[in-house]
Amino acid sequence: DTGVSQDPRHKITKRGQNVTFRCDPISEHNRLYWYRQTLGQGPEFLTYFQNEAQLEKSRLLSDRFSAERPKGSFSTLEIQRTEQGDSAMYLCASSLWTSGQETQYFGPGTRLLVL
Amino acid sequence: RKEVEQDPGPFNVPEGATVAFNCTYSNSASQSFFWYRQDCRKEPKLLMSVYSSGNEDGRFTAQLNRASQYISLLIRDSKLSDSATYLCVVNEGDSSYKLIFGSGTRLLVRP
Repeated sequence: DTGVSQDPRHKITKRGQNVTFRCDPISEHNRLYWYRQTLGQGPEFLTYFQNEAQLEKSRLLSDRFSAERPKGSFSTLEIQRTEQGDSAMYLCASSLWTSGQETQYFGPGTRLLVL
Repeated sequence: RKEVEQDPGPFNVPEGATVAFNCTYSNSASQSFFWYRQDCRKEPKLLMSVYSSGNEDGRFTAQLNRASQYISLLIRDSKLSDSATYLCVVNEGDSSYKLIFGSGTRLLVRP
């Protein structure tokens, strides 16, 4: 399968714990995005990378959230001191950006439940 | 006002019916428009891009009205497998990368 993959698919944690999610984009895609989706809502943009550079962070992304894409391939999203309000589906997407055109392809998501 | 607004539905239609979904967006500078499909507890998948001239892909037709900031999706000859949530998506103004999703319209196709 050459699509976007995410790991883990499900995570249950206790409030106050740290969690880290991984995303492997489609090979050779230069852009990688993180979104968050809660029940009954569409995905909300969190942050994105072009190659290894993090170019924008949404104001939704508090200081407890950090994302990296160290080699311009896979990315990690870490949430420190989790809160119940962090419970959501975290979606990763990747795209090949060329000349202003791109289509974002989503991974299966990591479903986080904070108890 | 939400940046992308959709009727949440559900739209409950029999197999073979034609159904239309509408969506409005608030940012007149948006340049890219899409419909994504999302099955329950799955990731969104691109259904089709929406072009100014309108475009068709099999049973699916998308239309864009820039003046009214309105996007539509028409599904003809509905199949049971079309049951899903349909997300209207636009990019944020001049930025090509930041996608703004509507909350989705739920479609149920019954036998």
